[in-house]
Amino acid sequence: DGGITQSPKYLFRKEGQNVTLSCEQNLNHDAMYWYRQDPGQGLRLIYYSQIVNDFQKGDIAEGYSVSREKKESFPLTVTSAQKNPTAFYLCASSIWGTGTGAPNSPLHFGNGTRLTVT
Amino acid sequence: KNEVEQSPQNLTAQEGEFITINCSYSVGISALHWLQQHPGGGIVSLFMLSSGKKKHGRLIATINIQEKHSSLHITASHPRDSAVYICAATTGNQFYFGTGTSLTVIP
Repeated sequence: DGGITQSPKYLFRKEGQNVTLSCEQNLNHDAMYWYRQDPGQGLRLIYYSQIVNDFQKGDIAEGYSVSREKKESFPLTVTSAQKNPTAFYLCASSIWGTGTGAPNSPLHFGNGTRLTVT
Repeated sequence: KNEVEQSPQNLTAQEGEFITINCSYSVGISALHWLQQHPGGGIVSLFMLSSGKKKHGRLIATINIQEKHSSLHITASHPRDSAVYICAATTGNQFYFGTGTSLTVIP
């Protein structure tokens, strides 16, 4: 079955360490997105990628980095520069994007990674 | 002020009840999405619509472009419908999420 796989489901790190969250899709989608979800807030866009080897900052990119070396993969690194990294992270994809971070086709989401930094 | 507002924030219903979740937005949109987030955190896209009405099983989504309002209806609600329902609006170059409506359906 096609879908998006995020791993791990839970991740614990010490403050000051970088950590990479995995996101893989086999839907053949061009556009991929990383969102952060905090309690009581709507999802916020961290980074998005319209196509392989291209990605753009979203609304809250500071302290995060990404790569898009393959169409199927869009890993997110949470660096030590991110001041408040503890959150629920969701990866998503869509057939097309607008090139500005907004999807213009239905989104498909992974099951998320819950990151706790102490 | 949020560009997308949902109501109610929390909703408890008895099994079998007809449920309505509302979404109002303040921006001009090209499409509106309804998403369902399960207790484990995974999100499923339910509908993407830009006009009129869409139906899938017991779920119905409607949108009124003039009034900048959308509703998600669930007929014959069931405990497995318990989830957070999120409305999101696409303007074409921005994507705005509501904070979600938490629905609990009691047997």
